Parts: sequence; structure tokens; C-alpha cells
Amino acid sequence: GAVVSQHPSWVICKSGTSVKIECRSLDFQATTMFWYRQFPKQSLMLMATSNEGSKATYEQGVEKDKFLINHASLTLSTLTVTSAHPEDSSFYICSARASPPLAESSYEQYFGPGTRLTVT
Amino acid sequence: QQPVQSPQAVILREGEDAVINCSSSKALYSVHWYRQKHGEAPVFLMILLKGGEQKGHEKISASFNEKKQQSSLYLTASQLSYSGTYFCGIPSRGSTLGRLYFGRGTQLTVWP
Repeated sequence: GAVVSQHPSWVICKSGTSVKIECRSLDFQATTMFWYRQFPKQSLMLMATSNEGSKATYEQGVEKDKFLINHASLTLSTLTVTSAHPEDSSFYICSARASPPLAESSYEQYFGPGTRLTVT
Repeated sequence: QQPVQSPQAVILREGEDAVINCSSSKALYSVHWYRQKHGEAPVFLMILLKGGEQKGHEKISASFNEKKQQSSLYLTASQLSYSGTYFCGIPSRGSTLGRLYFGRGTQLTVWP
């Protein structure tokens, strides 16, 4: 149980286009999901907190108009990178926290496999 | 809010021990530990909630010292499967269930 999927796994797009990344909790409900980006050999940098049915909360320095987040249901959050540029190339990972909590692992965040975005 | 991890990288032979440290400049309420293998998602190892608490997960254990605002991850008799990057994560203030801020990671390589 507690599986999070992301789609697509890899995406290559041209500069100026928009890309949508989906994050789904497959076997549990998640009122809260988190979006991170990770550069090679670096840490997971929290971008935003996605809340089902309400606006996302963005971390300082993250442009909300560039990284659009929509949490339309209890199992789906989407991140859209608008007008992508080469500097947006990165590994984007989402995580989800189960709601209600899954027994002992109530504090655990379940991570998706990530999406590799390359902007040419 | 990012915690500081040390060392950056460790290379071990199978069966050797390692310690990874995680410290914060701000008060800690809990510490989460994850392991990420190359190209894969981070996997939850454990969470430390109380001062001085120690937990174990197979041969991987951790301690949490609230006063020193630090946590240490202990890997004993390391196995090849332990290779990966270890991250500690600390939640935003006063919220164990909230946003996590991760350290830069410690890359552990175990050789046969």
C-alpha cells in the first residue's frame, strides 16, 4: 500500500512551452501533497504545499505564476511549469501524506518516483 | 530552515559502521530520516519525536537530542543495500505533520 505515482517519468520540451506533471496517490487519500525539485546530487527543495480544495502554499522564492499547482481531488495534484526555460530543467518529486493517517506511519510522507524535466 | 548534514559522503566496506549527523540552528520538534537510491524516490526510514529517543530499523538506528538540536543516524554492519543518499528532514516550526525541509544529503557507498 501507500503508493504514489507521477506522470510522466520523463519529459523533454522546448523553451517557452508549458508542461503538466501529475501526482497521484493510488491507494490512499491525501488532503496534502508536497512538490519538491531536486538538482543533481543536491537536496530536495520544497517548492509548495498542495491542499485539496484550496490554494497551494508556496515557499519563499518560488514563483506561483510560473509553477501552477492544482489539487482537484483527494488523490490528484498537478504541477504545471508555465513558459518553461532551460533553468527549469530539474527532477520534480511529489509526496503525499495519508489522510486519515495509515496507522503507525502517520507522520510519513510517501514519495512519487519523480519526473525528469529537460527544457531545450 | 534547511538542516546541516555531515559528512557529505562516506565510503564503507561491507560490515563496517557509519554515523550520519543532522543538526539545526533552530529548535527541533522531530527529525525524519529518508534514504534515496539513484533515480528512485526517497524512502522513509524513521521519525524521531522525543528528546533522547532512539529508534531502530533493522541495523539502522537513530538518536535525537532536542537540547543539542541534532540527530544522528547509525548504520551498523553495513550491507550493500545500504548504499544511497540519506536525507534528514525537519518539519516547519511546531508542525510534525507539515512541510519538511531536507538537508543536502549524505551519500553512502558500501563496497563488497
